[in-house]
Amino acid sequence: DADVTQTPRNRITKTGKRIMLECSQTKGHDRMYWYRQDPGLGLRLIYYSFDVKDINKGEISDGYSVSRQAQAKFSLSLESAIPNQTALYFCATSEAGQGVGELFFGEGSRLTVL
Amino acid sequence: GEDVEQSLFLSVREGDSSVINCTYTDSSSTYLYWYKQEPGAGLQLLTYIFSNMDMKQDQRLTVLLNKKDKHLSLRIADTQTGDSAIYFCAGATGANNLFFGTGTRLTVIP
Repeated sequence: DADVTQTPRNRITKTGKRIMLECSQTKGHDRMYWYRQDPGLGLRLIYYSFDVKDINKGEISDGYSVSRQAQAKFSLSLESAIPNQTALYFCATSEAGQGVGELFFGEGSRLTVL
Repeated sequence: GEDVEQSLFLSVREGDSSVINCTYTDSSSTYLYWYKQEPGAGLQLLTYIFSNMDMKQDQRLTVLLNKKDKHLSLRIADTQTGDSAIYFCAGATGANNLFFGTGTRLTVIP
């Protein structure tokens, strides 16, 4: 089983719908992240969380919200999806410590907003 | 935030060496990383270099860092078809985030 699991892996939805992407991890890491990947733009950070009570905005948080339900679970929500949120979304984890350290990624959730 | 730039595509023949280049703007990055993304998968850490090093070698991989020019490169010796993937360089400016480059898609021609 994967250490970082994302659901769903693929989702097609319509403009204005609410969408939740879920991430769970078995690595025991405190730190969790949500990134989106767009062709030619690399990965951009949406939100990150260093523990259950800690939530921080990343570079591109507008239009997104997150919830850290437990150490192992970090979900990303799009309250009202729009077409330019069509992208590949990655959850990642890392150990606590100085600096970011190594990131461990899930396999990605491909979201298409029509 | 930091800008990290890479060329988007690279094609090499099997058995040749591949060199993937990256330039960055923030010289305060303590570590610089190379991640590999295979088709349909998430990114995996390939190697990293501490900012006070010029070079790091790990089997077929050689990382070169030129801090003066803010240039990082990844050389893959004896490139194999299994090396076909997207390669991302990334820098960390503090404890919170990695700034990723745009990714270079390496295609290995048999």
